[in-house]
Amino acid sequence: DIQMTQSPSTLSASVGDRVTITCRASQSISRWLAWYQQKPGKAPKLLIYEASTLESGVPSRFSGSGSGTEFTLTITSLQPDDFATYYCQQHNSYDYNFGQGTKLEIK
Amino acid sequence: EVQLLESGGDLAPPGGSLRLSCAASGFTFSRNPMSWVRQAPGKGLEWLSAINGIGTNKYYADAVKGRFTISRDNSKSTLYLQLNSLRAEDTAVYYCARDPEGTHGDYFDCWGQGTLVTVSS
Repeated sequence: DIQMTQSPSTLSASVGDRVTITCRASQSISRWLAWYQQKPGKAPKLLIYEASTLESGVPSRFSGSGSGTEFTLTITSLQPDDFATYYCQQHNSYDYNFGQGTKLEIK
Repeated sequence: EVQLLESGGDLAPPGGSLRLSCAASGFTFSRNPMSWVRQAPGKGLEWLSAINGIGTNKYYADAVKGRFTISRDNSKSTLYLQLNSLRAEDTAVYYCARDPEGTHGDYFDCWGQGTLVTVSS
């Protein structure tokens, strides 16, 4: 199995900040990585797939980069609606494991 | 509008069984692979199982292999997950999720609202 590790587990930031979340795979997954946003009591929402392709309707302040084993999700100019938990997920091969999540909190 | 609606979650005893359903609408169901993903209370997301569009290929995470069975009925646009030999650690919200057509591997562009399975005596 490919293991996915996110850092940090918790991130405190303010509205208007730029933040970066890192996701590392235990082996190369090329560019086959997705990012999701989840709010309490809600289903996850797809933000990015194939490491850097923005899902339709997702604001352009979200961006993804990376390949191989290291990936990042960047949110520029944080908005109040962005405080949530973020997960990465590899879509290279079964099992389609997720990272453990990064909770983005208001500072 | 694309919608997925899960049902079937309930309280079940250890060793018991449940059958979850996911009714799809707003898209041609048979074109899309589908998956089940769960989330234990206060924990992260765990992919469980996937099935291709015509139902011939099925995949399972080790945690549920041999206990859970995924299936689909394209004539009813419905995805299923049969849960057998339930354990306390199976307590979670179970989501069905759609994989877009023609992708490399499975990622999920549409999710249901989730159905809660509680395993307890």
